[in-house]
Amino acid sequence: ILNVEQSPQSLHVQEGDSTNFTCSFPSSNFYALHWYRWETAKSPEALFVMTLNGDEKKKGRISATLNTKEGYSYLYIKGSQPEDSATYLCAFVPGGSTLGRLYFGRGTQLTVWP
Amino acid sequence: DTAVSQTPKYLVTQMGNDKSIKCEQNLGHDTMYWYKQDSKKFLKIMFSYNNKELIINETVPNRFSPKSPDKAHLNLHINSLELGDSAVYFCASSLSGSSYNEQFFGPGTRLTVL
Repeated sequence: ILNVEQSPQSLHVQEGDSTNFTCSFPSSNFYALHWYRWETAKSPEALFVMTLNGDEKKKGRISATLNTKEGYSYLYIKGSQPEDSATYLCAFVPGGSTLGRLYFGRGTQLTVWP
Repeated sequence: DTAVSQTPKYLVTQMGNDKSIKCEQNLGHDTMYWYKQDSKKFLKIMFSYNNKELIINETVPNRFSPKSPDKAHLNLHINSLELGDSAVYFCASSLSGSSYNEQFFGPGTRLTVL
């Protein structure tokens, strides 16, 4: 069983605050890491797929970094808005795994208060 | 146009019944997946098909049987439903089975077994 940990489990911030959370995964045998955004009553939507150590990806106010050697990825949200409220999932892909097989973490639930 | 659609959205049924959930994608993808969201909102892969061929077959009861009539459809049939089958089931698709490709999720089917 692969251990993909996300922290914190939940987070409450004020509108305008910047925030970040962590996805930890086994540092050996890395292949890819996915980030998804999951709003309540909707379905998960892909944010980033990260593949190389040192990768930095950005989409609007959301960005992510990847450190495969130490086994973590950070997701940053700059100037949080209420519409950023969602659960953010990461999914790890180890090398040699079956194609498309993602190991999801349990997510960080973000609530942004106006 | 809905990219990945599932029917029905809600399904309430009695223990022991047999039911099916349908999934269709119009993205031209050749890989489709079924996930189960457990009571703790954890996404677990159940099956995946690539070009109508079963690729991922996780340890699920053999009462669950996926069927892919063509690349655009992946249906999930469940025999002899049990209380513990109550969950939200998500279908997803990706361009290919490559783990570098993001997955696109359907809206989910909430199954309640009474």
